[in-house]
Amino acid sequence: GQNIDQPTEMTATEGAIVQINCTYQTSGFNGLFWYQQHAGEAPTFLSYNVLDGLEEKGRFSSFLSRSKGYSYLLLKELQMKDSASYLCAAPSSNTGKLIFGQGTTLQVKP
Amino acid sequence: DVKVTQSSRYLVKRTGEKVFLECVQDMDHENMFWYRQDPGLGLRLIYFSYDVKMKEKGDIPEGYSVSREKKERFSLILESASTNQTSMYLCASSLNSGADEQYFGPGTRLTVT
Repeated sequence: GQNIDQPTEMTATEGAIVQINCTYQTSGFNGLFWYQQHAGEAPTFLSYNVLDGLEEKGRFSSFLSRSKGYSYLLLKELQMKDSASYLCAAPSSNTGKLIFGQGTTLQVKP
Repeated sequence: DVKVTQSSRYLVKRTGEKVFLECVQDMDHENMFWYRQDPGLGLRLIYFSYDVKMKEKGDIPEGYSVSREKKERFSLILESASTNQTSMYLCASSLNSGADEQYFGPGTRLTVT
């Protein structure tokens, strides 16, 4: 079957670093996406990893280990505006469909 | 920039009414999707379409139908709205099959009373 797991909630302090984990089981592998969704808004694309390793994009980085079925999103120098849900998603073979995790709600506190 | 628009941000309908939710994308994307999002359940795929007049059931198609007469437009239809269809509905599009980023519309918050 296909399954994506991520923690439901996390809390972190402004200026700190937080790591949001995601484990996945999919039939075939076509990469892994991370989306950010602020309350009441649509998800927006953050990153896409298809090869193992860390990809950095400003304050946000995403890591992938295909052998372990594991990814994480790393947020540095946290800001209050980073309070949002972070969705991990994997393509379902070649159908164009994405399988989404339930999302991790991150609360950044002063 | 890709733009995905949805016909309404907020909608209130009565039980038994027929409801149309419209979605339009302006980047000539092949794939279009309809999701609903509920607290604790995440994003669930209702239907998707990979070409004009083509449609595929997602994970929760019961009570819904779709229409794609033109490439840029994908409509979600609730034939007879029920209170358990109160939800946030999100439309998305992607360029073509495979691992393409999906672009989301702003969402329609539907309340069925």
